[in-house]
Amino acid sequence: VLTQSPATLSLSPGERATLSCRASQSVSSDLAWYQQKPGQALRLLIYDASNRATGISGRFSGSGSGTDFTLTISSLEPEDFAVYYCLQRKVSISFGQGTRLEMK
Amino acid sequence: EVHLVESGGGLVQPGGSLRLSCAASGFSFSRYSMNWVRQAPGKGLEWISYISGSSRFIYYENSVKGRFTISRDNARDSLYLQMNSLRDEDTAVYYCARDPPQCGEGSCLSGFDQWGQGTLVTVSS
Repeated sequence: VLTQSPATLSLSPGERATLSCRASQSVSSDLAWYQQKPGQALRLLIYDASNRATGISGRFSGSGSGTDFTLTISSLEPEDFAVYYCLQRKVSISFGQGTRLEMK
Repeated sequence: EVHLVESGGGLVQPGGSLRLSCAASGFSFSRYSMNWVRQAPGKGLEWISYISGSSRFIYYENSVKGRFTISRDNARDSLYLQMNSLRDEDTAVYYCARDPPQCGEGSCLSGFDQWGQGTLVTVSS
């Protein structure tokens, strides 16, 4: 089971966002992060915990291993306000419940 | 450019059936394992089924096992989900999602790398 926190994060453009994903048991580094916007396909941001997917801005970074993971957006742009999910496939397949990043 | 386009969603009564399709383009479809993932209205994401490139390996999430059937036609670059005995709780947007190229047949630890935009299935009387 993956638990994301916070459920909602209210920040302003230019601020730093830190999103957390905690696994109930170790998933090593086998964790991915996604961005979801209304009406758009989900976009892979980070795979294997810390590797940016093709075409993803350098302001997105992932860290962590085992049970605790973090997605950091260094300086928020208006297009970054969305819902973010983590995913693991180490123990069956499960997603976190999501973090809504909203503009303050 | 990779494209995944789902179709076949709609309104169906409880106990009814529906067949979803996912048309793939921009990559060598037969070389990739594929998945179906769903999202109930206002809820999070739930993986429901996997099929390997050759169709040799097929997996289901427990809540759909015995009711849903995943299949593919590599000659048509298409993925399918046959949904029978539909329930209210199957109401969701259904997405097809591709396994990344580094994954082999039957197992993968990496996240899905390409997604479609989804098709809405509503189960209601």
